[in-house]
Amino acid sequence: DQQVKQNSPSLSVQEGRISILNCDYTNSMFDYFLWYKKYPAEGPTFLISISSIKDKNEDGRFTVFLNKSAKHLSLHIVPSQPGDSAVYFCAATSNDYKLSFGAGTTVTVRA
Amino acid sequence: DAGVTQSPTHLIKTRGQQVTLRCSPKSGHDTVSWYQQALGQGPQFIFQYYEEEERQRGNFPDRFSGHQFPNYSSELNVNALLLGDSALYLCASSLAGGRVTQYFGPGTRLLVL
Repeated sequence: DQQVKQNSPSLSVQEGRISILNCDYTNSMFDYFLWYKKYPAEGPTFLISISSIKDKNEDGRFTVFLNKSAKHLSLHIVPSQPGDSAVYFCAATSNDYKLSFGAGTTVTVRA
Repeated sequence: DAGVTQSPTHLIKTRGQQVTLRCSPKSGHDTVSWYQQALGQGPQFIFQYYEEEERQRGNFPDRFSGHQFPNYSSELNVNALLLGDSALYLCASSLAGGRVTQYFGPGTRLLVL
């Protein structure tokens, strides 16, 4: 049962433009959401998180938006840089500590 | 400040064999979680260890077992390996309590032939 879904397997964006990654979830008990970035042959690297009491969190070029009523969150990367080319995973958790991950979106930043 | 480390980096086993993977958490962390990532999928939670006990378990059979040592390092054991156990095994560490961020190691790539 896939509780976290990333429906776009890939995204191609030009350098300097905005990248928007989307994530949907079904479990209403989720109250903490995270984005991870993964390069080949490396483990996922934590990017940014958001608690369900907020609807936006910013950290430099990265902003996460949460829409609880729609059970949807998005990650905005502005401006996109070549080093941002990677697989991005959305994850969610509730009281039970485990992270539930989406299948990932592969981002390619074109020069 | 050392991050999460895992060993070995790669491993090849045959069906029916047993394997042990190792993880050292990030300095200051006391909780270790294990995940399995199959090709093209997101990581799937196996179990979490805190205070040397399994605190929570995902939907994995009893062939998957673990251990946490007093220094917070951890092992993942898989018995009676199946071809479908071929995957990247990720260890993540965190501090106990609340909504905490888990930090991942580089993973161990297991291939079962």
